[in-house]
Order: sequence, then structure tokens, then C-alpha cells
Amino acid sequence: QKEVEQNSGPLSVPEGAIASLNCTYSDRGSQSFFWYRQYSGKSPELIMFIYSNGDKEDGRFTAQLNKASQYVSLLIRDSQPSDSATYLCAVNHGSSNTGKLIFGQGTTLQVKP
Amino acid sequence: NAGVMQNPRHLVRRRGQEARLRCSPMKGHSHVYWYRQLPEEGLKFMVYLQKENIIDESGMPKERFSAEFPKEGPSILRIQQVVRGDSAAYFCASSPGGAKGTQYFGPGTRLTVL
Repeated sequence: QKEVEQNSGPLSVPEGAIASLNCTYSDRGSQSFFWYRQYSGKSPELIMFIYSNGDKEDGRFTAQLNKASQYVSLLIRDSQPSDSATYLCAVNHGSSNTGKLIFGQGTTLQVKP
Repeated sequence: NAGVMQNPRHLVRRRGQEARLRCSPMKGHSHVYWYRQLPEEGLKFMVYLQKENIIDESGMPKERFSAEFPKEGPSILRIQQVVRGDSAAYFCASSPGGAKGTQYFGPGTRLTVL
């Protein structure tokens, strides 16, 4: 079992729709959860972080965390073609507590005009 | 530019040469992380450093790879006797510290080994 799992996609949604990206993790001691966006050939860009169970909203983005189910998701409302990228879920390695991030393989999102 | 800086952005080496990758963290950040992204693969943690200390090197290959973060100057990731399998994008990230500290990535160094 991979430590952080994501569906590689591609996930295709029409412009204006809600895109839902999902991630599961195996380490129950994980404390911090991050979503990064990576355009092809570019570096990861931090989108959201969440530490507590529940929802966290920032503009068109909502992160959701359920520690009991070891599940974290990212919702993108009113998706735009410029949102087309690979979205990386990252989890702080809780047992070592060093801040080391474990990344999923990423989900490719395509927003079609 | 207050962001994480990396240089060079592109580096070409022949097999057997040495590669030196540099990273300057964001202003006010004292924690540096190195990650590697192989073609068509995810980001993999390599090493975590604070000034003059290696905190966690659990992701570093056992041979040929080393990292430092001196008291003065940038963090350096050094790869000796490069092989074609070392071709990848190497990203540096910095954070202000703490286990929950968010990490901000630099633009990366694309290493190509001929």
C-alpha cells in the first residue's frame, strides 16, 4: 500500500463545474495535509493546507479532512481552464515529525472550455 | 524576489562528472528540504536540513549524494559521479520551521546526464 494515494486521472470537467480531487493516506499519525498545484515543467505551488477535521475554504478552493477515514479532498468551484494542472496531495510524516512531506502521484485535472 | 531561489535552473553533465545544485531559502526561513522528481514519477523526499545540521536524510541514496546547509550561504545538494538515472528535476523547499510548517518550493533544477 502506498503511503499517499491519489487517482492519477485525468479528471475532466467542463468550465464552471466543481472539480473534486481525492487523496487517502496510510499513516494515522499524520498531522498536516497539503494540496499543491503543478503545471507541466514547473514547480509545485501551495494551494491549501489543513490540520483539523472538517472543511477549510479559501476562495474557490475547499479542503476537506477526515482523519478517521484517513481521507483528504480538494474541491475547486467554478473551474477554469487555467486550473488545468496536476494536483499533488502531500502529508506530513507524522511519526517522524520532521516536517518531511510524503506526496501522492498527483491527479491530472483538465478543465474544458 | 522573496521566494526560494535555486540555481542553476538547467544543468547538463556527462556521466562521471559532479553536479552541484544550490538553494537559497525564503527570507526568514531556516529549514530546507530537497525533493527529487523523476520523469513521470512523483516527488520524493531526499533530505531535510537546518543551518549546519542534517536533520533527516532518510531519502538520500546511500552513495554519491550529499547535502549541506552552511552557516553562511545557500544549501548545496551534491551528486558525485553522476549516472543517467540521476536525470531528474530537483526541487528545494523552505519553511519557517515546526512540524506543521508549510513548505514553499523553488523553481527547481533540471539535471540532464548525457
